[in-house]
Amino acid sequence: SQTIHQWPATLVQPVGSPLSLECTVEGTSNPNLYWYRQAAGRGLQLLFYSVGIGQISSEVPQNLSASRPQDRQFILSSKKLLLSDSGFYLCACQTSGASYEQYFGPGTRLTVT
Amino acid sequence: DQQVKQNSPSLSVQEGRISILNCDYTNSMFDYFLWYKKYPAEGPTFLISISSIKDKNEDGRFTVFLNKSAKHLSLHIVPSQPGDSAVYFCAASRRAPFGNEKLTFGTGTRLTIIP
Repeated sequence: SQTIHQWPATLVQPVGSPLSLECTVEGTSNPNLYWYRQAAGRGLQLLFYSVGIGQISSEVPQNLSASRPQDRQFILSSKKLLLSDSGFYLCACQTSGASYEQYFGPGTRLTVT
Repeated sequence: DQQVKQNSPSLSVQEGRISILNCDYTNSMFDYFLWYKKYPAEGPTFLISISSIKDKNEDGRFTVFLNKSAKHLSLHIVPSQPGDSAVYFCAASRRAPFGNEKLTFGTGTRLTIIP
């Protein structure tokens, strides 16, 4: 079964600083990959998804971007963080074409100060 | 546009009793439904799912019921245990043309099991 790694686990960054969150997946090939954000007291909001290397789809306009340089690596970035970027960021993977279930990593708690 | 709704933000249940978590959806194109459990500061874990061709799926203490005509599903946990205290998310999906099934999540229900 797949394992999803995310780092760092927690991050405190000042407004205007850059961001890079990394997600790597083990135990599966050619997965669909997803970035979600959970703001305080809110549900899970899909930010980006990718069906393959270099293929990124954005769900909502925002201050963030995503990249997939390798099959099992998904990166979430920002050039300049905003206070509203604070939240809990989750990476998820889905075995392409096999089922609907997505499996989540442990998440990164980002606080923008 | 909230296509998947969990109208109860919280629920408290006595240990040993049945917990019933509810979820409503508006998009009739959804054909697969999932429940996730989430502890604080952790990623959600998949619990149980159901296809729209079924009206019930059972896995141990967890049963999901689907009422397509009412666009409603529920998760039953029986008997409830203290370790079930968590936030539960309902999610829905529909088959996508390139095999990329996106999930639409509800806002979650915080379940507290009282010892």
